[in-house]
Amino acid sequence: GNSVTQMEGPVTLSEEAFLTINCTYTATGYPSLFWYVQYPGEGLQLLLKATKADDKGSNKGFEATYRKETTSFHLEKGSVQVSDSAVYFCALSRDDKIIFGKGTRLHILP
Amino acid sequence: ETGVTQSPTHLIKTRGQQVTLRCSSQSGHNTVSWYQQALGQGPQFIFQYYREEENGRGNFPPRFSGLQFPNYSSELNVNALELDDSALYLCASSRAYGTSGNNEQFFGPGTRLTVL
Repeated sequence: GNSVTQMEGPVTLSEEAFLTINCTYTATGYPSLFWYVQYPGEGLQLLLKATKADDKGSNKGFEATYRKETTSFHLEKGSVQVSDSAVYFCALSRDDKIIFGKGTRLHILP
Repeated sequence: ETGVTQSPTHLIKTRGQQVTLRCSSQSGHNTVSWYQQALGQGPQFIFQYYREEENGRGNFPPRFSGLQFPNYSSELNVNALELDDSALYLCASSRAYGTSGNNEQFFGPGTRLTVL
């Protein structure tokens, strides 16, 4: 079936550190891939997306590339800020529903 | 443009009771999806409504049901509540049928349901 696996947290980094959150997926066909972010006390927000192989989604300094050969969509940011502290969800869309990973909590220390 | 709103914010019920959660979709959106997010987990798809009809359902029992109204707002009803139903329930609206990636889903802040 369709599923998303992402690295478990929490991930704790110092401000300005490099961030990678790994995400791999299992799906039939060619799903669209997403990263959502959930800030404390708020709803889910779409951070970035990619709809086909080799597409790179980017937003707010975050990037992720749709890698069909490795079925991966890793999230990266070159220099994190305290305001990036949140829970990040990797997800795919298939058959009119979004399938989410379990989420990775990110703590950025000043 | 008004975003997705949900009510109530928090709710406490006891086992066996019934609950109704409400969602107002974003202006111009005609599709509503509901998700259950247990503590420490990612959201799980419950079902989706398009033009007042159920359009896709996840692995949830029939005691989870829904409605969509002509103004595209929606309700999630859960009967015979169980302790494991305690979760954050998220509603998301989108502009058109499907989640192809070109029809972004916009999420509300959720309703936190606690079943005692």
